Amino acid sequence: ETGVTQTPRHLVMGMTNKKSLKCEQHLGHNAMYWYKQSAKKPLELMFVYSLEERVENNSVPSRFSPECPNSSHLFLHLHTLQPEDSALYLCASSQDVGGDQPPNYGYTFGSGTRLTVV
Amino acid sequence: AQKITQTQPGMFVQEKEAVTLDCTYDTSDPSYGLFWYKQPSSGEMIFLIYQGSYDQQNATEGRYSLNFQKARKSANLVISASQLGDSAMYFCAMREAYNAGNMLTFGGGTRLMVKP
Repeated sequence: ETGVTQTPRHLVMGMTNKKSLKCEQHLGHNAMYWYKQSAKKPLELMFVYSLEERVENNSVPSRFSPECPNSSHLFLHLHTLQPEDSALYLCASSQDVGGDQPPNYGYTFGSGTRLTVV
Repeated sequence: AQKITQTQPGMFVQEKEAVTLDCTYDTSDPSYGLFWYKQPSSGEMIFLIYQGSYDQQNATEGRYSLNFQKARKSANLVISASQLGDSAMYFCAMREAYNAGNMLTFGGGTRLMVKP
């Protein structure tokens, strides 16, 4: 497989359930991201992992718990979610860049998990 | 302040015509990259085109071109000969070499609808 793969594609869960979203990349990238995309809202960055260490947590509620066991895998553990957490959750990976040159690496995205909390 | 601004929430274009999607950006970093992504209704984000801040020429990729006006800090996407399959959300994004933790910052998106 190539690219970024997210599973499941669709998930319906109750507010008391515990579930996990999985993301896998086969691109040799060293950074991975979770984004939330709600209807009529901009993309919201949730978590960033660089070299398997979390470097950003944009004030995300604790009912979302990320895990990055290695540079190819990223999980988002979900528990006691609220209906307003229903959204498309996108995973992305990239090669971390630095230095003086313009970053010409964008992100490669997965197809997303469409989550509905009932 | 917003780093990436897309002022057109939605646009219509007739099939086979060209369309321009606007994007302005704000940065003090001299070194940055600008990206456009397409998001069809299926949800995946598809990379379309890239422009580096030091590039002298406008980027082109098939039917996509980027009208880069550095002094005005604009990076508009031009789609020539629109097709029905171009109907989607389009996002402009920026990655700075030094600022914002080197992360990609997205605009709010423009929904393009192609009419047959």
